[in-house]
Amino acid sequence: DAGVIQSPRHEVTEMGQEVTLRCKPISGHNSLFWYRQTMMRGLELLIYFNNNVPIDDSGMPEDRFSAKMPNASFSTLKIQPSEPRDSAVYFCASSFLDGGELFFGEGSRLTVL
Amino acid sequence: QKEVEQDPGPLSVPEGAIVSLNCTYSNSAFQYFMWYRQYSRKGPELLMYTYSSGNKEDGRFTAQVDKSSKYISLFIRDSQPSDSATYLCAMTPYSGGGADGLTFGKGTHLIIQP
Repeated sequence: DAGVIQSPRHEVTEMGQEVTLRCKPISGHNSLFWYRQTMMRGLELLIYFNNNVPIDDSGMPEDRFSAKMPNASFSTLKIQPSEPRDSAVYFCASSFLDGGELFFGEGSRLTVL
Repeated sequence: QKEVEQDPGPLSVPEGAIVSLNCTYSNSAFQYFMWYRQYSRKGPELLMYTYSSGNKEDGRFTAQVDKSSKYISLFIRDSQPSDSATYLCAMTPYSGGGADGLTFGKGTHLIIQP
């Protein structure tokens, strides 16, 4: 398997623009997680899905952030409008529903100017 | 007090040294403990996991959990330059080790000098 695939790997945008990050989980995994990593705050869980249904979005910072999982093989994280404080590395991860190892993608590095 | 505390480093040691990485935590409900390794510009990957207190060994790596002290450690013997990475501890209250409920430390940046 190719692992968790994220795109884009790097994104530089200007404040106020819409940003869409994409994720393809490992085939067969039924839990998907979006994390954000910064030096100051470390790795923070934003939202996770079980069987394509959002279970816990309490980590989403504010209404500017939204996430969808239209099917088992694709998820998006959208920021609209983006702000400089959103600059971070965003990771997607997947696992089996009943626990076990969490597999991370290589991340999307977002810079908002 | 944060739920999981981890010294960010950097920790720099010569090749061949024994490395000790540590985390403390405040939530006594945590019972499933993990160490993730993250190379530069990559995602974290699971290195080791332990359930409840005790030791677990895997090659040059030993994970140790002391629930009475709320303290976990990762030891690396005969450290190699390829061990240079950021090491994140993670823990969850759920005995199945599920990824939901997982709380990460901020990570310790380790540098092994050749």
